[in-house]
Amino acid sequence: DIQMTQSPSSLSASVGDRVTITCRASQSISSYLNWYQQKPGKAPKLLIYAASSLQSGVPSRFSGSGSGTDFTLTISSLQPEDFATYYCQQSYSTPVTFGQGTRLEIK
Amino acid sequence: EVQLVESGGGLVQPGGSLRLSCAASGFTFSSYWMSWVRQAPGKGLEWVANIKQDGSEKYYVDSVKGRFTISRDNAKNSLYLQMNSLRAEDTAVYYCARPKVPAAMLNWFDPWGQGTLVTVSS
Repeated sequence: DIQMTQSPSSLSASVGDRVTITCRASQSISSYLNWYQQKPGKAPKLLIYAASSLQSGVPSRFSGSGSGTDFTLTISSLQPEDFATYYCQQSYSTPVTFGQGTRLEIK
Repeated sequence: EVQLVESGGGLVQPGGSLRLSCAASGFTFSSYWMSWVRQAPGKGLEWVANIKQDGSEKYYVDSVKGRFTISRDNAKNSLYLQMNSLRAEDTAVYYCARPKVPAAMLNWFDPWGQGTLVTVSS
């Protein structure tokens, strides 16, 4: 199975900050990397697919990059509604696997 | 509107059984692989199982093989997860999820259902 490792596990930031979350795969997954946002008590919401494609309706302050084993999710200017947990997911091979999550908290 | 609605969760004793359902609407259910993904309390996401459009292929995470069975009824636009020999570590919110791309086995998930909580405890 492909292991997905996110860093950091938690992060404190302020409204307006630029934030970057990293996801590393245990082997190359090309660009088969997706990002989700999850708020407490809610289902995950797709943000970025295929490493860098922005899901329809997602604000343009969210962006993704990377290929192979190293990927990043960047939020260019944090908004109050962005404080949540973020997960990466590889869709390169079965079983699909997720990172452990990055909790983004208000500083 | 594309929608997935899970049901069937609840409290069950260790060793017991439970059957989850997921009702799909707003899209051609029979054109998509479908998956179950779970999340233990305070933990991350774990893919559990998926099933091909016609039910001819099924895959499971190792920890549930031999205990859980995924199935579907395309006439009823419904997905199921039969869970037997339940353990405390199966306690989680179970989500039904659809890949974005029709006929894609491996893909990003969108949409997700709201989830149904399964609690395994004596």
